[in-house]
Formats: sequence, structure tokens, C-alpha cells
Amino acid sequence: DIQMTQSPSTLSAFVGDRVTITCRASQSIASWLAWYQQKPGRAPKLLIYKASSLETGVASRFSGSGSGTEFTLTISSLQPDDFATYYCQQYDSDSATFGQGTKLEIK
Amino acid sequence: EVQLVESGGGLVQPGGSLRLSCAASGFTFSSYWMAWVRQAPGKGLEWVAKIRQDGSEKYYVDSVKGRFTISKDNPKNSLYLQMNSLRAEDTAVYYCARILGQGDYVRYWGQGTLVSVSS
Repeated sequence: DIQMTQSPSTLSAFVGDRVTITCRASQSIASWLAWYQQKPGRAPKLLIYKASSLETGVASRFSGSGSGTEFTLTISSLQPDDFATYYCQQYDSDSATFGQGTKLEIK
Repeated sequence: EVQLVESGGGLVQPGGSLRLSCAASGFTFSSYWMAWVRQAPGKGLEWVAKIRQDGSEKYYVDSVKGRFTISKDNPKNSLYLQMNSLRAEDTAVYYCARILGQGDYVRYWGQGTLVSVSS
């Protein structure tokens, strides 16, 4: 199975900061990567698919980039509503594995 | 509007059984793969099982093979997960998810139902 590794596991930032979360795949997955946001007690919410395509209705401060084995999720200016846990997921292979998550905390 | 509503979770003893249901609406249920994804307390997301549009293909994570069965009733727009021989490590929130294929991302999730396995 393809392994997905996110870094950092926890990230502390201020409102207004620009933050980047990284996701690395154990082998090339082309651009078959999605990003989700999850808040406590809620289902995950799709933010980005195909590495850089913004899901309808998602704020434009979210952006994704990368291909092959290294990917990033960037939030250009953190808002209070953005503090949550973020997951990447590859769907190049049938296993469609998730990363372990990055918790974004308020500093 | 796509809606997925899970039910059937609860507290069960180790070795017991539960059947989860997911009622789907707002789309042509028979045209989509469906899946169950779980999340143990404080942990990440894990695929549990996936099923093809017509139910002809089913896939399971190794840890539930032989114990869980996914099924799909297209006329009833419903997805099910029969869980037998439950273990403490099966404790999690179980989400119903709509997918386009065996390897796909999830655009639509249910709200989740909590399964707790404990004596």
C-alpha cells in the first residue's frame, strides 16, 4: 500500500498567518491527492481534489499544489474557523490511503 | 442535495454484533460506489469497506475481513454494514461515504454513527 506522511503533526499559528502543511507519498501518485478539513465531532469536509482543484464553496484562501510524491496545502491568511485537523488522501491506488492528520491550533 | 444519514450505532459487548444503516437521498444511489470509513477516538481516518454500484464487488480492510459485511439495497437507497464478532479496537465513529470508484476521494460524507465495543 502507498503510505502517506503528513508534516507537521501539530502546527500552532496566529490568525492572519500563512501556513503550509506537507503530505508525502511513499511512491508517485501523480496528482491524485485530496485534502480534507475536520472539526471535532464533525465529518471531514473536502477542500481540494486532484492536488490543486478547489472544491466548490471552499474559500479561496485554501490552495493545494504538488505532484508525484510531495504535496502542500496552504492557507493564505488563517481565519478563526480554520483551526481544525487536516488530512491528505491519495487515490492513485485502490487502497486510497489517508495521511495521519495535521492538527492546526491557535497560538 | 446529497444526504447520507447513518443509524444503528451504539454500545455493544465484545463478541457482539451490530448492523449500521445509511439512508441516501438526493442522487441516483444505484449509480455510485459506496463505502464505510471509520475513525477511532482521537485517531485518523480508515477505510472499512467499499461496494460497487450493483454490489458485485466488495472490498474490506484486512482487520475486518470475515467479520464485517457491506451490502447495498438500491431500491431502498440504503447501505449497510453488518458487524459481527466485534472487538474493542472496532470502537469508532463510522461514516457512510459516496465515492466514484474503489480508489477515490470522498465528496459526500454522512454525519457518522458511534460504535462502542466494551464490557
